Amino acid sequence: ETGVTQTPRHLVMGMTNKKSLKCEQHLGHNAMYWYKQSAKKPLELMFVYSLEERVENNSVPSRFSPECPNSSHLFLHLHTLQPEDSALYLCASSRSGSPLHFGNGTRLTVT
Amino acid sequence: QKEVEQNSGPLSVPEGAIASLNCTYSDRGSQSFFWYRQYSGKSPELIMSIYSNGDKEDGRFTAQLNKASQYVSLLIRDSQPSDSATYLCAFGGRDSSYKLIFGSGTRLLVRP
Repeated sequence: ETGVTQTPRHLVMGMTNKKSLKCEQHLGHNAMYWYKQSAKKPLELMFVYSLEERVENNSVPSRFSPECPNSSHLFLHLHTLQPEDSALYLCASSRSGSPLHFGNGTRLTVT
Repeated sequence: QKEVEQNSGPLSVPEGAIASLNCTYSDRGSQSFFWYRQYSGKSPELIMSIYSNGDKEDGRFTAQLNKASQYVSLLIRDSQPSDSATYLCAFGGRDSSYKLIFGSGTRLLVRP
């Protein structure tokens, strides 16, 4: 089983839908992250959870809501998204100061 | 000023040549530096990490760090077509060891 698993791999949703992205890590890491990757732009850090503490990028809209019930699971709840939110959403995990390990990502399309 | 600067490319090199990828960063307090490779449609995968000034070699890859110049580079020797990908540099910001700041990546094309 891969170290960081994301589901679903692909998601198409309308602007009025509510959906959730799921991430699970099996590496024993103590921090988990959501990154957004849009075409031609750098990876954008959205949220970090470490030791049950949440750190967020203040520019992330409130239509994105993270949840981290334990150190192995991370969710990203989506509601009333906009077409410009279409992107690749990457989950990652790490130990403090160590490199990130990424999941395979969820390709999100908002119609 | 962008936090991480990378030439977007594409950088095109012939098979067997040395590919040189460069990255500059703005945060002088950064302590950790990473190179990730990302194939089209895939997630980034770590290929090199470097924490102190100088060179670090791993197989065909060499990372070079110069903190005084705020510069990190990646050399790929004996480039192969399978090395064709986008290479992302990232550094650990001063304020939190948990956050990595990424560049937008350099696309490398190795011609057979």
